[in-house]
Formats: sequence, C-alpha cells, structure tokens
Amino acid sequence: QSVLTQPPSVSGAPGQRVTISCTGSSSNIGAGYDVHWYQQLPGIAPKLLIYGNTNRPSGVPDRFSGSKSGTSASLAISGLQAEDEADYYCHSYDSSLSGYVFGTGTKVTVL
Amino acid sequence: QVQLVQSGAEVKEPGASVKVSCKASGYTFTSYAIHWVRQAPGQRLEWMGWINAGNANTKYSQEFQGRVTFTRDTSASTAYMELSSLKSEDTAVYYCAREGPPRKFDPWGQGTLVTVSS
Repeated sequence: QSVLTQPPSVSGAPGQRVTISCTGSSSNIGAGYDVHWYQQLPGIAPKLLIYGNTNRPSGVPDRFSGSKSGTSASLAISGLQAEDEADYYCHSYDSSLSGYVFGTGTKVTVL
Repeated sequence: QVQLVQSGAEVKEPGASVKVSCKASGYTFTSYAIHWVRQAPGQRLEWMGWINAGNANTKYSQEFQGRVTFTRDTSASTAYMELSSLKSEDTAVYYCAREGPPRKFDPWGQGTLVTVSS
C-alpha cells in the first residue's frame, strides 16, 4: 500500500518552531490532491488539525499552519507548548489506489 | 453537535468475525460517506475503505478486500464494519470517521479495540 513518508520524530523546546514533512508521489500529493493533518493525543482518536493543505478548523490555534509544494506537504507548529506533545499524521487521496493514504506518523516531543 | 459513537471493545478468537458499529448524530446521516481506519498497537493509521451512507456503495482497500464488509442502517443512522477470518495481526483500534469536503475525515468515532487472541 502506498504511504506518505514522515520523519519518525521531531522535538523542540517550549516556544520554538518545529516542522513536520510529508513526502508523497505523483499519484497523491503531486497529482494535486489535498493534504490534511491530524493530531492524535495518547489513547485518543485522531483530531482534524489542518484541512485542504492550509485551512484550520475552528478552534485550532493559529500556531498550527500547513503548506504544500510539489509532491510534499508540511505542518509547522510555532510557539511550541507542552500540550502539543502528540502524534501527527498527514493524509491524502491516491489515484493509483483509488483510495486514501496516511503518513507514517511523527511523534512531537516538547523538551 | 456532529458526533460518531462506536460500540465497545471486543475479544475474539482467531478465525472468528467481529462487527463494529458507528452511530451518527447531529447531521443528516445519508448525506456523507463513512470511512473506516484501523491502528494496530504502536502503528500508523491504516485506511480500510468507505461506505456511501446514502446509496450504500462501498470501496474497500486492497489490503482488506474479501475479508471486510461495510453496511449501514439509515433508520438507526448507524454504519457497521464486519471483519472476518480474524488473525492476531488484526488486533487494533478500529475507527469510523465522516468524510467532508474536500475529502477530509472529521469527526472521528472514539475507537473500538478489537483483540484477537486464543
């Protein structure tokens, strides 16, 4: 199954900015399909964080931002806070699978 | 508010089947697709497929084709996922999620832990 590749972990001190990359291919991100990001706190269901590459649902702090270019996308967290410690997943549609794919997941640690 | 509530944890023996329910509230059930996603312990999210709650059309991931069945009961605003021929590797938390434009999954159910063990 095709997957989207993310770094296994990123870390930063409180207040710092961290970014998480999501690398896909010409059949998903590179084909123009939207990328979405989810935050998963330990033991909790995933929660939508960014949709349509750059949009934040209501209630999501503006410290979270998304971008997309070519076959990759990125999630940035600025002003890192302790409550941001979680797993983060990117998500998109894949035309070769006629289905959806998730990223490999990134664990964010606040030092 | 829009909410998906799933059935409780299950323990099954290898070779058995399991059926998980996902009850929707706060919106018109038949206007949206429901997706199923699973997460094995310590692993990433894995897309299983979806059901159009309006016309019951389904699409299954190749990984689960032939072993999974999605159904829905519009009178109960509930979607179901049945997985058969269970193996220990099927031990996971199974989530349902509503698809909204542009193909985003929101909200998610709380998850149902399925444990396969003899």
